[in-house]
Amino acid sequence: SQQGEEDPQALSIQEGENATMNCSYKTSINNLQWYRQNSGRGLVHLILIRSNEREKHSGRLRVTLDTSKKSSSLLITASRAADTASYFCATDDVTGNQFYFGTGTSLTVIP
Amino acid sequence: GAGVSQSPRYKVAKRGQDVALRCDPISGHVSLFWYQQALGQGPEFLTYFQNEAQLDKSGLPSDRFFAERPEGSVSTLKIQRTQQEDSAVYLCASSSTTSWETQYFGPGTRLLVL
Repeated sequence: SQQGEEDPQALSIQEGENATMNCSYKTSINNLQWYRQNSGRGLVHLILIRSNEREKHSGRLRVTLDTSKKSSSLLITASRAADTASYFCATDDVTGNQFYFGTGTSLTVIP
Repeated sequence: GAGVSQSPRYKVAKRGQDVALRCDPISGHVSLFWYQQALGQGPEFLTYFQNEAQLDKSGLPSDRFFAERPEGSVSTLKIQRTQQEDSAVYLCASSSTTSWETQYFGPGTRLLVL
């Protein structure tokens, strides 16, 4: 079973708008990662945030982590049509023995 | 090669057939992971290798699933006596670290069992 749940399941926005997707998980973690998957392709690593970090930036991406609420958010600013993809969070628990992907958010950016 | 490659990209099997899926990781990557991704879902962990050692196979759904990485590079996931519920995309990933961090994924093998 998957540990993470993401919402919304699907998101459709206009190019130039910001996109925010959320991930909730169940156990204490070492770190949380976000991946992107284009249709029919493998996953691409976007960003990793450690359990002692609260916010991290990479280009147009901003990730927050709230370990007290066991949740994370991914913000994509100034979205582009090329950002259309599914986005997954993934966590490894503090034992390091379990690694889970969330259910994913399908993002559509309309040109 | 520049990235992780998998073959075949597509496989159609009749129920009961055995299949073998291949993964070529990025050269020098010590860790290799296999995942199963059902339609519309996130990947689910199957098994993990560090070099040639299979350190975790807790995600393999049944004893029909078997994975190996005999020389610590190329890996093969074998499914015996395939069932319809085995239909999914099988993803392979590799990492230069010995942890779950920053995995590089292949394009996947889409398996359809009829």
